[in-house]
Amino acid sequence: AAGVIQSPRHLIKEKRETATLKCYPIPRHDTVYWYQQGPGQDPQFLISFYEKMQSDKGSIPDRFSAQQFSDYHSELNMSSLELGDSALYFCASSSGTGEPGEQFFGPGTRLTVL
Amino acid sequence: SQELEQSPQSLIVQEGKNLTINCTSSKTLYGLYWYKQKYGEGLIFLMMLQKGGEEKSHEKITAKLDEKKQQSSLHITASQPSHAGIYLCGAGPTFNDYKLSFGAGTTVTVRA
Repeated sequence: AAGVIQSPRHLIKEKRETATLKCYPIPRHDTVYWYQQGPGQDPQFLISFYEKMQSDKGSIPDRFSAQQFSDYHSELNMSSLELGDSALYFCASSSGTGEPGEQFFGPGTRLTVL
Repeated sequence: SQELEQSPQSLIVQEGKNLTINCTSSKTLYGLYWYKQKYGEGLIFLMMLQKGGEEKSHEKITAKLDEKKQQSSLHITASQPSHAGIYLCGAGPTFNDYKLSFGAGTTVTVRA
């Protein structure tokens, strides 16, 4: 079965650079969630999209922005990177219709800021 | 936000022994999710519980949600090395809202 795809899997950037993380949800899933998991931390919700519109916002810095495109894939753009942005970034998808089900998580993108 | 407390923080079990992890919330849980994570890797969905008193099992893992829907437990029977990892409970603020808050996780080590 198709799963959530994230790219790249690993990314190394320098301070003050920008990074773009991509997420491809499970086919026919219309909702995407982004989470950030710092070293030794639990995942923290950043932002979510439903039908290409931002549906909810969590602890996402102003330096970050995200969008969901017409094909439902989503991109998380991160600018002016800081050392503290080093983390695992997860994307998850779900279907907003029908019976409630679980959120499916991607494998994550490991961002390292040097 | 839904604050979840997990206990224990970590545990070490001998292969073949049972183990239990608890997840407690101060608020009613509308959806309680259990995930497993290998170090530095993605989250693997285990089970979702919604109804008070609900219990689900998959292979040797059983999860329960209490009647008040504020506490859940994850029980592994006859643990194996493949059960090692970090177990996270997550909960949404309302029914069918998957903006999840997570517990801090329980690190399970299985010794041969």
